[in-house]
Amino acid sequence: RKEVEQDPGPFNVPEGATVAFNCTYSNSASQSFFWYRQDCRKEPKLLMSVYSSGNEDGRFTAQLNRASQYISLLIRDSKLSDSATYLCVVNRDFNKFYFGSGTKLNVKP
Amino acid sequence: EADIYQTPRYLVIGTGKKITLECSQTMGHDKMYWYQQDPGMELHLIHYSYGVNSTEKGDLSSESTVSRIRTEHFPLTLESARPSHTSQYLCASSEGQADTGELFFGEGSRLTVL
Repeated sequence: RKEVEQDPGPFNVPEGATVAFNCTYSNSASQSFFWYRQDCRKEPKLLMSVYSSGNEDGRFTAQLNRASQYISLLIRDSKLSDSATYLCVVNRDFNKFYFGSGTKLNVKP
Repeated sequence: EADIYQTPRYLVIGTGKKITLECSQTMGHDKMYWYQQDPGMELHLIHYSYGVNSTEKGDLSSESTVSRIRTEHFPLTLESARPSHTSQYLCASSEGQADTGELFFGEGSRLTVL
């Protein structure tokens, strides 16, 4: 079983739409959780950390459900520049990071 | 911008050649990593290091080897490249606090073995 599972998409949405991505992780010992963004043929970059209490950064909201081993990312008022692949990442065993295969988002005019 | 650098960015070589992919960071990070990523696929951890003279294999078996003689330098070597090694190799570093989660990546080395 994969360490982190994500729906690969693509999610094709119009500008201004709200879109949500989910991922699940298999190891309950996972300690911390993140969303990274990867543009085509570029390196991944941290979008935001994910906390059990939920956290928001502008148009982006992340949630963690430890009981269900489930992480979500909500993007409101999508922009063309949000088009990218969103990677769900978990961290355990003293900073070993495990990446999902990513969910591709296409925001259309 | 992250201060982590990889060379070469692109490499096309023939089967059987020895190659070294260089990775350097100027942030003083103890933890460094090598990931392998095929197009459209997830990143797989192939090597990591928690500090000088510390190296461990990741979860994806790889024929490559690494060394960590200096904090800032974490090169990856393939003694005899094969077409199956064709992939993108991404080097990363982190400060080492589990809850910060920020991995700083280099721009990657895209390897093609003919």
